[in-house]
Amino acid sequence: QSVLTQPPSASGTPGQRVTISCSGSNSNIGSYYVYWYQQLPGTAPRLLIYRDNQRPSGVPDRFSGSKSGTSASLAISALRSEDDADYYCAAWDDSLSGVVFGGGTKLTVL
Amino acid sequence: QVQLVESGGGVVQPGGSLRLSCAASGFKFSDYGMHWVRQAPGKGLEWVAFIQSGGNKYYTDSVKGRFTISRDNSKNTVFLQMNSLRAEDTAVYFCAKDPRPTVTTITGWFDPWGQGTLVTVSS
Repeated sequence: QSVLTQPPSASGTPGQRVTISCSGSNSNIGSYYVYWYQQLPGTAPRLLIYRDNQRPSGVPDRFSGSKSGTSASLAISALRSEDDADYYCAAWDDSLSGVVFGGGTKLTVL
Repeated sequence: QVQLVESGGGVVQPGGSLRLSCAASGFKFSDYGMHWVRQAPGKGLEWVAFIQSGGNKYYTDSVKGRFTISRDNSKNTVFLQMNSLRAEDTAVYFCAKDPRPTVTTITGWFDPWGQGTLVTVSS
C-alpha cells in the first residue's frame, strides 16, 4: 500500500486528454512539492514535472502538472502512442522522513 | 551530458552482502547529492537512500542498519553497501542525481536516473 494513491490504470485514444491523480496528506503533498515521472517499458524513470507544475527542458508542453490541497494531477493532452507508459508521483513526507511514491498508473493508449 | 552508470548487481543468498556502484560523469559530482531508488519486479518505485554533497546520509526505515550509502568524490562514484540481504530486497536499483547543488533538504526530485542494476536475493 503506497503512501500516495494513484489509480492503477488509465487509458485514452490518440488526440485525447487524460488526467492521472495522486492523493496524499498534509505530511506530504499538502506541505511539499510534487514530482512526476514517466517510465517506458524496460527503461529507467524520466522526470516529467518538478515543483508541482514545472516542465524540464525537453518535456513536451502536452504534459502539465497541478496541485490543490493534498492532491495533485498530471494531465497529458493530445495523447500519442509513445505516451503508453507507467507514471509515478513523488513527494517528501515529513511524518516518515523519506520520499514517498505513488503506486504508479499504467497509461494505455488505445 | 550527465551520465550515471550502475554496476555490481547480481544474485546473492539471503543474509549475504553486495556492493553497488554508480559512476557519474558530465557534472561536478562533489557538488551534488545522490540517491538510490529501487523497484521490485513488477512493482512501483521505492526511495532507498540519499547522501548529501557534504556527506550526510539518510535512509528509508526498511534498510536502516543494513545498507550504507557512501561516495568517493575523487572517483565520481556513489556506493550502496547492502548487508543482511533479504528476499524483499530483490529489485532493480537505480542511482539518481539531485539536480540542486549543495542542498541539505531532500525532495522527490531525481534527475537524471541511471539505467539500473538488478539485485536478486535468493537461495
